[in-house]
Amino acid sequence: AQSVTQPDIHITVSEGASLELRCNYSYGATPYLFWYVQSPGQGLQLLLKYFSGDTLVQGIKGFEAEFKRSQSSFNLRKPSVHWSDAAEYFCAVGPLGKTSYDKVIFGPGTSLSVIP
Amino acid sequence: DTAVSQTPKYLVTQMGNDKSIKCEQNLGHDTMYWYKQDSKKFLKIMFSYNNKELIINETVPNRFSPKSPDKAHLNLHINSLELGDSAVYFCASSQGLTPGDEQFFGPGTRLTVL
Repeated sequence: AQSVTQPDIHITVSEGASLELRCNYSYGATPYLFWYVQSPGQGLQLLLKYFSGDTLVQGIKGFEAEFKRSQSSFNLRKPSVHWSDAAEYFCAVGPLGKTSYDKVIFGPGTSLSVIP
Repeated sequence: DTAVSQTPKYLVTQMGNDKSIKCEQNLGHDTMYWYKQDSKKFLKIMFSYNNKELIINETVPNRFSPKSPDKAHLNLHINSLELGDSAVYFCASSQGLTPGDEQFFGPGTRLTVL
């Protein structure tokens, strides 16, 4: 069965510092991989996704993520964090090449706090 | 214009009551979803509809009944509310049928059952 783990429940970084949020997945083949962000009191918004090609994916708001097949990881990075990046971040996986009968699974989330 | 909207934003009610949450999307998408986010922020899919047809029906109590009058609307009716139903419920939509499609989320409805 597919699963997603995000080892860090909560991360605190200083504004301007770099950020890496970890995501590991368990799946029989390379799935669709996503990162979503949830700002306080808001719905989720897609930051980026990967399904094939270049393993370094660029997203919105200056975020990028790198797919590493050997490690079953899809870590999210940002070189310089802004105070407005404080939010909940969700990694998600979905079965590649399947229909909507197969669902996207979300990880437990990592809460990011930013110190001014 | 809000892409995916939900009403109400907050819902406080007593145990045993029946309540509904409405969702509308103006993106022209074919697929809509209901998710439940618990107090630990864990997000789990409940239902999905494609062109008014039920596609995914997770292990959800029968007290929860989704209804899609047209492909732009997906409502969630909950009978006999229980304390454990307290959560944030998110509606979402996507263009197509595959799990690879970006999902657009509504702002959520925070349900509190007393």
